[in-house]
Amino acid sequence: SQQGEEDPQALSIQEGENATMNCSYKTSINNLQWYRQNSGRGLVHLILIRSNEREKHSGRLRVTLDTSKKSSSLLITASRAADTASYFCATPPEGANNLFFGTGTRLTVIP
Amino acid sequence: DAGITQSPRHKVTETGTPVTLRCHQTENHRYMYWYRQDPGHGLRLIHYSYGVKDTDKGEVSDGYSVSRSKTEDFLLTLESATSSQTSVYFCAAGTPQTGEAFFGQGTRLTVV
Repeated sequence: SQQGEEDPQALSIQEGENATMNCSYKTSINNLQWYRQNSGRGLVHLILIRSNEREKHSGRLRVTLDTSKKSSSLLITASRAADTASYFCATPPEGANNLFFGTGTRLTVIP
Repeated sequence: DAGITQSPRHKVTETGTPVTLRCHQTENHRYMYWYRQDPGHGLRLIHYSYGVKDTDKGEVSDGYSVSRSKTEDFLLTLESATSSQTSVYFCAAGTPQTGEAFFGQGTRLTVV
């Protein structure tokens, strides 16, 4: 499979805590993207980090990328019940325009 | 949803029948994608298109074909539906090498 994998598969935390999920991928990439999916809905883009970047912030989101380990992490700070969703990483292989997704992390934020 | 529309949203069909799912975009994206989503597998790429009449296979293309006769429309056809093709199908469009992909709301297909 050309998919990446997210870890953990499921995560349950209390509102206000931080949530960290990890992504590993297999090929060289130009960028890595994180998406969110609410139950029964399509995916929504959260953030993109380029291969020459190590860290990126957007609001309560912080993404890191380690190309030597082919891994990325997504940190959601001060979580809210509305953050309950599945989170996926996605990678377009270098030089290609197909887009592969990981298996996802199911985050539950308990009010 | 940034102008990505899938139709139908729900479909029940019988084994052995052909089925066509439609994806329509209004943003003139060059690249379009079809995925299937199944529990435990995340999203798996079926086929993608990099221009009108230009398509390529993804990870799980067996039993599926696609066509793109216009920039805005990308069709996915199940030539002879099987129960293993029961899934939720998502269409996406965008330019992944430089930016995000935009997704439709999905089509829930049940093959009985």
